[in-house]
Parts: sequence; structure tokens; C-alpha cells
Amino acid sequence: AQSVTQPDIHITVSEGASLELRCNYSYGATPYLFWYVQSPGQGLQLLLKYFSGDTLVQGIKGFEAEFKRSQSSFNLRKPSVHWSDAAEYFCAVGATPAYSGGYQKVTFGIGTKLQVIP
Amino acid sequence: DTEVTQTPKHLVMGMTNKKSLKCEQHMGHRAMYWYKQKAKKPPELMFVYSYEKLSINESVPSRFSPECPNSSLLNLHLHALQPEDSALYLCASSQDSSGGYEQYFGPGTRLTVT
Repeated sequence: AQSVTQPDIHITVSEGASLELRCNYSYGATPYLFWYVQSPGQGLQLLLKYFSGDTLVQGIKGFEAEFKRSQSSFNLRKPSVHWSDAAEYFCAVGATPAYSGGYQKVTFGIGTKLQVIP
Repeated sequence: DTEVTQTPKHLVMGMTNKKSLKCEQHMGHRAMYWYKQKAKKPPELMFVYSYEKLSINESVPSRFSPECPNSSLLNLHLHALQPEDSALYLCASSQDSSGGYEQYFGPGTRLTVT
């Protein structure tokens, strides 16, 4: 079964500083990888996705992520954080386990809460 | 338009009540999902509908009953819930339920069971 590890539960950065959120996945084949963001009490918004091809993917709101197969990682980055980026960030892996009959199951990491200080 | 709408935004119900959560999308997506999210936890998949047929039930108790009346609508019928069922219920949709399609989420329904 697939799994996702987000080692940092909580991260605090200063506004204008760079950001990197870590994500490691476990899956036997090439996974589908996603980063979502969730503001308090809200649904999840897709930031970016990786399916194949270029390992550096660009997303919305100035975010990017790099897929590194050798490290089983898909870290999210932003060069300059804005106060509005404060939220919960979820890394997710999509896979089609044998029991699903071809249906994709998305498994989410535990999330990283980002705090931005002025 | 990548919007998934959910109603109501908030719901308080007693353990003997019957209520329904509604989800709608107009993106032409053929797969729809229900997730449950407890506080400070990631979303957990409950059900997957593909082409209006229930495809995956992640061992969800029968007090939760999903329904997909058409390709744009998804309901979750609730009956005899327990206080531990209080959570944010998220609906999502994707173009297809097979691998490689991103899911778009609604804002959720905050459910409180008293």
C-alpha cells in the first residue's frame, strides 16, 4: 500500500523568506503526486501535481515542487512567502492498488501547518 | 470553472436525526468522492462513485449512505450518527476515477453530532 510522510508538523517562516516543505512517499511504482493547501475550516485546493515528464513542476500561487525518484521525495518550495500562505499543506500520493479494481486511491500525509510571521 | 459546491456549510444533528449532505459539480467529471476529516488530521476516503456507480466503500458504517442521483450530484445520507462522527465532510470530483486525475474539493460541511 502507498504511504506519505510529512516529517514537519509545524513550520514557522518570516514573510519574504523562502520555504521548503518536505514530503516522502512509499509506493512500488511511479506514483501520482499532489500538493494541496487548506485554510482553516475550508476545503482543499490543488497547488500542483506530478504525473510524469519534467521532474520540476510549477503550480499556482508561485509554488513549485521537485520529484526525486532516488529519494522518494516530492518537496514543495516557494522563493518568497507571503502572509496569505499561512495554512495547512498536504502532500498526497495517488495509486491504483490491486483491490481497487483500477480505481485511484489518494492517500494524504498528515499535513504541515505553516505559520508566517511579519 | 473548477468549483465543487457543498450544502449545508454547517450541520448540527442529534443521534436520532436523519439528515443529508449535498455535493454538486458542473465540470463534467465522472468520478465523485466523499472524505471525512477530523480535526488536525488528513482527509480519509469514505466512498468513490464512478459513472454514477458506487465503486469503493472504505468499510464505512451503514449509518452513512451515499447516493449519486446523476453525474453532477452526490448525496450523503446520515442516520443514527454517533458523536465521534462529528467532522468536516469533504466532497471531491475528478474527470475519471482511474489513476492520473487530480481531485477538486468542495469547501466541506462541518457536522456536529450531539
